[in-house]
Amino acid sequence: NAGVTQTPKFQVLKTGQSMTLQCAQDMNHNSMYWYRQDPGMGLRLIYYSASEGTTDKGEVPNGYNVSRLNKREFSLRLESAAPSQTSVYFCASWDRVGRNFGQGTRLTVV
Amino acid sequence: DQQVKQNSPSLSVQEGRISILNCDYTNSMFDYFLWYKKYPAEGPTFLISISSIKDKNEDGRFTVFLNKSAKHLSLHIVPSQPGDSAVYFCAATSQGGSEKLVFGKGTKLTVNP
Repeated sequence: NAGVTQTPKFQVLKTGQSMTLQCAQDMNHNSMYWYRQDPGMGLRLIYYSASEGTTDKGEVPNGYNVSRLNKREFSLRLESAAPSQTSVYFCASWDRVGRNFGQGTRLTVV
Repeated sequence: DQQVKQNSPSLSVQEGRISILNCDYTNSMFDYFLWYKKYPAEGPTFLISISSIKDKNEDGRFTVFLNKSAKHLSLHIVPSQPGDSAVYFCAATSQGGSEKLVFGKGTKLTVNP
């Protein structure tokens, strides 16, 4: 049982480049989330998907887009990366029983 | 406006003693609270939760207390062990809503041998 799997684990981008962070869960959870963690800021919600086919903005959505491809997969896209998006990104899934985070993607934008 | 506040960025305790981590919230709609533990270079892992219908929940060495009138919860770790050294995040949600989790900024706990 892999839980929540994120790829890649590390990435360095140049300003203006685009990339997609992938997330997949094998627990049949309805809800999936993308968070970013910055020093002294805790975990902040970027986007979430309460169910397949739906997505909603969280606290810090600017500069990001998401796709809930199916029940398992929820991707986060940076269309034009900026240094302010340097962060550690966590994907999570949960229902009323399970609360699971991936291992994180450390993204540096130079 | 921070809805979940952990006012102590760090806490240091001796092995074997009690660790008390505090959390305050402002949103009266929150009715479910969770604590997560995070080691460096790993994702947060769920530790313990409490519903607003309770004022205490215990799991082994970990106990969470909820004071709804004060909008305050605390995590007690007894006895503390060096392996408990990590960042602890308090989180809150409204179960009747979208199930979004709102996190505090975290408290770094160091347990000294």
